[in-house]
Amino acid sequence: ETGVTQTPRHLVMGMTNKKSLKCEQHLGHNAMYWYKQSAKKPLELMFVYNFKEQTENNSVPSRFSPECPNSSHLFLHLHTLQPEDSALYLCASSQRTGEGTGELFFGEGSRLTVL
Amino acid sequence: SQQGEEDPQALSIQEGENATMNCSYKTSINNLQWYRQNSGRGLVHLILIRSNEREKHSGRLRVTLDTSKKSSSLLITASRAADTASYFCATVSLPSNTGKLIFGQGTTLQVKP
Repeated sequence: ETGVTQTPRHLVMGMTNKKSLKCEQHLGHNAMYWYKQSAKKPLELMFVYNFKEQTENNSVPSRFSPECPNSSHLFLHLHTLQPEDSALYLCASSQRTGEGTGELFFGEGSRLTVL
Repeated sequence: SQQGEEDPQALSIQEGENATMNCSYKTSINNLQWYRQNSGRGLVHLILIRSNEREKHSGRLRVTLDTSKKSSSLLITASRAADTASYFCATVSLPSNTGKLIFGQGTTLQVKP
């Protein structure tokens, strides 16, 4: 148990569907992250939030829409995805971010399959 | 561009042997971190070494950092079958105010019983 919970663990959706991934951290951290992990590719940072404010958008297509209502919750809204978006989506949190970014705590991931 | 790159990409050893993985990076850093990932699971933080440190130990793990060569190594001593996993290094390029922690491609370690 890492203190970061992701739901759902598995999601299958069609290209016209709209779905959301949810992440919740119980660690009192101030920063939250979304990463994408595709087969045979390194982890790709998607978004960084610090105190609910987005501080990094790593050129992510607009079909991925993040939402951070508070420091404990992070969502990734998905719409009109493509099959190549199929991947493991990992949420993480850390006490602080910036140049002194320390240890990230990861959830178990949401395995997304786009048909 | 990729900040951290691990070498080798894959490593297979017998239980009891030592495993060494290397990581190279391109820019100035504040710290370098190593993570482990079991297949299909989330990443677990192993150890963090700061830029002013040269070596750090944690149990059977030993990490070194050479900032002049922009490289780090992770040594796992007396490996066990349970150490089978992928191992990643990660860094934040300086300067940064966004905490953009970038991961390398990872080393896949297989420890045979």
